[in-house]
Amino acid sequence: DSGVTQTPKHLITATGQRVTLRCSPRSGDLSVYWYQQSLDQGLQFLIQYYNGEERAKGNILERFSAQQFPDLHSELNLSSLELGDSALYFCASNEGTSDTDTQYFGPGTRLTVL
Amino acid sequence: QKEVEQDPGPLSVPEGAIVSLNCTYSNSAFQYFMWYRQYSRKGPELLMYTYSSGNKEDGRFTAQVDKSSKYISLFIRDSQPSDSATYLCAMSGGYNTDKLIFGTGTRLQVFP
Repeated sequence: DSGVTQTPKHLITATGQRVTLRCSPRSGDLSVYWYQQSLDQGLQFLIQYYNGEERAKGNILERFSAQQFPDLHSELNLSSLELGDSALYFCASNEGTSDTDTQYFGPGTRLTVL
Repeated sequence: QKEVEQDPGPLSVPEGAIVSLNCTYSNSAFQYFMWYRQYSRKGPELLMYTYSSGNKEDGRFTAQVDKSSKYISLFIRDSQPSDSATYLCAMSGGYNTDKLIFGTGTRLQVFP
């Protein structure tokens, strides 16, 4: 158990809908990362937050947005969903302050868009 | 061309075999190299972490980094059926806060 929690575990929704994925980082971690894992693309970095501020952006679509709250949990919002958004979404966290720290991954949320 | 290339496998070996998993990369700025293990439908779990070039050993696992060749390896000795999983290499630039770039993963199956 990495200490990172994600809810829900599974989400099934229809095209055009909007969903919110939630992540609670490990205790003491200030940095949260979101990744998308699909069969054809592998694990792709989406976005990083550090202590409430956006720090880095990857291959995140404009239909997707994220935020990190004062209690350091993070939410990833996916809107106008398309079939191709079906994937595993992982959250990872670390302290975000040391060069030798690494990212610890949560169990993921499996999103299925029908 | 992807920044990180990894043979997807699958790789099937008998129990007790030595397994070699490899990744190549193109970005010379990468400084931190990691291997993650991912069981089916689970989150990636950090196995090994190496900074810059060199070797690192942890139990049955050895990670090697050759920055001059832009090539990293993970060796698993005395492989066990419980090692059956997908192995992902990952790397990043100068800071831990940088995004991780992952290989596509190699699926390993160790049969009894």
